[in-house]
Amino acid sequence: DVKVTQSSRYLVKRTGEKVFLECVQDMDHENMFWYRQDPGLGLRLIYFSYDVKMKEKGDIPEGYSVSREKKERFSLILESASTNQTSMYLCASSARVSEAFFGQGTRLTVV
Amino acid sequence: GQSLEQPSEVTAVEGAIVQINCTYQTSGFYGLSWYQQHDGGAPTFLSYNALDGLEETGRFSSFLSRSDSYGYLLLQELQMKDSASYFCAVRGGGSNYQLIWGAGTKLIIKP
Repeated sequence: DVKVTQSSRYLVKRTGEKVFLECVQDMDHENMFWYRQDPGLGLRLIYFSYDVKMKEKGDIPEGYSVSREKKERFSLILESASTNQTSMYLCASSARVSEAFFGQGTRLTVV
Repeated sequence: GQSLEQPSEVTAVEGAIVQINCTYQTSGFYGLSWYQQHDGGAPTFLSYNALDGLEETGRFSSFLSRSDSYGYLLLQELQMKDSASYFCAVRGGGSNYQLIWGAGTKLIIKP
């Protein structure tokens, strides 16, 4: 079974803190993605990576950065957390764009 | 812009058949995917259509008409465990690595 593991299910952080969300996949997939999910808005792509050290901006990259130093690990960084970044964050990996495998999500609350 | 439209909510009765529609407007098109997400869970891949026609996988089928920019997910013999949100996603133009997502359809099943 493909496994995508996110480091935390729930996080509470203070405004202005630097936040790290970690994601690890065990299927040797080239592609990894970070989405945020908000009610009524579906999934919005923040960043994706198609190879180690490669990254591309998605639809809403502002306020976020990413790191992919190893193939299996893709990290999302909130440089200075703000309350409008309170959301569910989903990591995914895929060999084919059409079929992505998702982690369980991290529900981040910024207070 | 690029967009996908699907109904926000559909209600059906246990044992019945339900169809969830998705129309898309994208700058390119390679295929239409469907995902299921239970409350509090991760999206899981259901199906992918690259060519016109019907694809069947057990109780679930997915249909695509590229000329109409339209697809649907058909769920038969509904069970209570099918209560979930269903998302359509298009592998479209622009980046070769991105999926464009609909906002999701919440399926409510009544006994």
